[in-house]
Amino acid sequence: DAGVTQSPTHLIKTRGQHVTLRCSPISGHKSVSWYQQVLGQGPQFIFQYYEKEERGRGNFPDRFSARQFPNYSSELNVNALLLGDSALYLCASSLDMGLAGDYEQFFGPGTRLTVL
Amino acid sequence: DQQVKQNSPSLSVQEGRISILNCDYTNSMFDYFLWYKKYPAEGPTFLISISSIKDKNEDGRFTVFLNKSAKHLSLHIVPSQPGDSAVYFCAASPDTDKLIFGTGTRLQVFP
Repeated sequence: DAGVTQSPTHLIKTRGQHVTLRCSPISGHKSVSWYQQVLGQGPQFIFQYYEKEERGRGNFPDRFSARQFPNYSSELNVNALLLGDSALYLCASSLDMGLAGDYEQFFGPGTRLTVL
Repeated sequence: DQQVKQNSPSLSVQEGRISILNCDYTNSMFDYFLWYKKYPAEGPTFLISISSIKDKNEDGRFTVFLNKSAKHLSLHIVPSQPGDSAVYFCAASPDTDKLIFGTGTRLQVFP
């Protein structure tokens, strides 16, 4: 079975541009979460989507948005890019949404975004 | 504010010996704790977890200990193998499945 896939693998943008990152969850998984990992830090929670609805949001500005499609794939959009948005963006999927420990989260390899 | 802290950025251990990775947290409401392992160019992979109602969980060579009074958990790897060389992240979760990660500890196991 294919794991969580993300595209593109790498991306270079300039300040002020916008970017769209894509995530395909494991087949059958309904919940998708997005994390940002800045160099030298641990992943930080951005969004969780379940059944096409936003179910959780981290401490990120409104420039960050996301959506989930009927096939449970997801897109993360970032507008007006800043240098500080340079990071590895990780997508994680889980079978369902529940309490901590109910469903294991499986992470994709990430998209490396560089903002110049 | 960093709610989950891993104060050791790196650890070097000889093959066959014990590796001990430490993690501290500040929020007593955290309900569940997890350890993830990350290799370069791959996403984090779940390793082992522990509920706040337990103080120890063991899975093969990996054991996680939780000390709630000290708000401290540790991951023990015995015996350590070269393939264990990776970055290890401690993560905590309140009553949801949102994860709050530490900054990671890079473990190097040498022959």
